[in-house]
Amino acid sequence: QSVLTQPPSVSGAPGQRVTISCTGSSSNIGTGYDVHWYQLLPGTAPKLLIYANTNRPSGVPDRFSGSKSGTSASLAITGLQPEDEADYFCQSYDNNLRGFVFGTGTKVTVL
Amino acid sequence: QITLKESGPTLVKPTQTLTLTCTFSGFSLSTSGVGVAWIRQPPGKALEWLAIIYWDDDKAYSPSLKSRVSITKDTSKNQVVLTMTDMDPVDTATYYCAHRQDTSVLDYWGQGTLVTVSS
Repeated sequence: QSVLTQPPSVSGAPGQRVTISCTGSSSNIGTGYDVHWYQLLPGTAPKLLIYANTNRPSGVPDRFSGSKSGTSASLAITGLQPEDEADYFCQSYDNNLRGFVFGTGTKVTVL
Repeated sequence: QITLKESGPTLVKPTQTLTLTCTFSGFSLSTSGVGVAWIRQPPGKALEWLAIIYWDDDKAYSPSLKSRVSITKDTSKNQVVLTMTDMDPVDTATYYCAHRQDTSVLDYWGQGTLVTVSS
């Protein structure tokens, strides 16, 4: 049902770099709408990690970075930390649906 | 400091109507560009956008739920209310409300409230 597609899981050892892809279409990411990324930890409010494709809100470590190209976007975590183990979702806006759309979600595991 | 908190029943029976309230502070829903959205996450599944209401009382709904969902605001109480009719066990989820300012980003979220639909 999700409009944006993400890999179900990625994993890496502490200190490694992992990337999460977010694939959309010409009615959302491809038409120029921004992509945002959220981190979900159990029992806590979802946290905005990246907004407008590449921007980090104040307080988000610089090991998190975002990019966008064509109909896809990516979130990279460099220098993976144990506290980065969480679920991550991308989000954009869709012309056809006239509403917000989320990715399928990716679970990051720190080995 | 912007905060949002969801409240409502934790258990509803199938076919009943769910009413959830989002009480917020740190912003006004009468300020231009501001919106409050509702999003849900079934256990183990993805986030799903449900509805949004804007400062000018404009509203938008998920096409798949439009016939069952309604969103209203009480600016004086700093509250947004989501109503969902004809609840089904598949509607079991954690329901979140979130703040929006000008763009499509949802920058502040509540902690969510788990709603279970069961007889």
